[in-house]
Amino acid sequence: QKEVEQNSGPLSVPEGAIASLNCTYSDRGSQSFFWYRQYSGKSPELIMSIYSNGDKEDGRFTAQLNKASQYVSLLIRDSQPSDSATYLCAVNPPPAGTALIFGKGTTLSVSS
Amino acid sequence: ETGVTQTPRHLVMGMTNKKSLKCEQHLGHNAMYWYKQSAKKPLELMFVYSLEERVENNSVPSRFSPECPNSSHLFLHLHTLQPEDSALYLCASSQDRPGGSWVTDTQYFGPGTRLTVL
Repeated sequence: QKEVEQNSGPLSVPEGAIASLNCTYSDRGSQSFFWYRQYSGKSPELIMSIYSNGDKEDGRFTAQLNKASQYVSLLIRDSQPSDSATYLCAVNPPPAGTALIFGKGTTLSVSS
Repeated sequence: ETGVTQTPRHLVMGMTNKKSLKCEQHLGHNAMYWYKQSAKKPLELMFVYSLEERVENNSVPSRFSPECPNSSHLFLHLHTLQPEDSALYLCASSQDRPGGSWVTDTQYFGPGTRLTVL
């Protein structure tokens, strides 16, 4: 069974702090990894995609991928109350063209 | 219209009704998806259409019937639903790359249809 695991939270951080969200996946052959943000009652929206080991930065967001450990994370610097949402980790396992597998999501709460 | 659109945004139906959900993507993608999202549960993939052919059907009850007339449109026909089918139904699209590429492009989601079955 192909699985994507996330801590459901809630993860609570004060405004301005760094929020660290973690995700592990079971299929070692997975090649594509995505982080989506979902506000309550809304549909998921893409924040980051990452395909290679290492870090990828986009504004206040940094995605980190370690394929050997089957681990992908999302760091949010200078957290804002508007970052409060559920963050979904999604993984594309082989074979090619397979639909994404989503984790249950981590709920982040940023307090002002 | 841009992106992925879904209609209706909200739907209330009885167990004996027949209704359809519509999804349209304006991104030139060739793959479309139906997901179900219930409270406190992860996104559940229901159906995948790639190049207008259904490539995945995750043991979805027959009371859900998908239709993909072309690469831009996707329907989900509903009949004799149960109260436990109440959920947010999300449509997504992506550019699928047949031929062995490992890289799958991003899935873009529509706003969803909030379905309530009475």
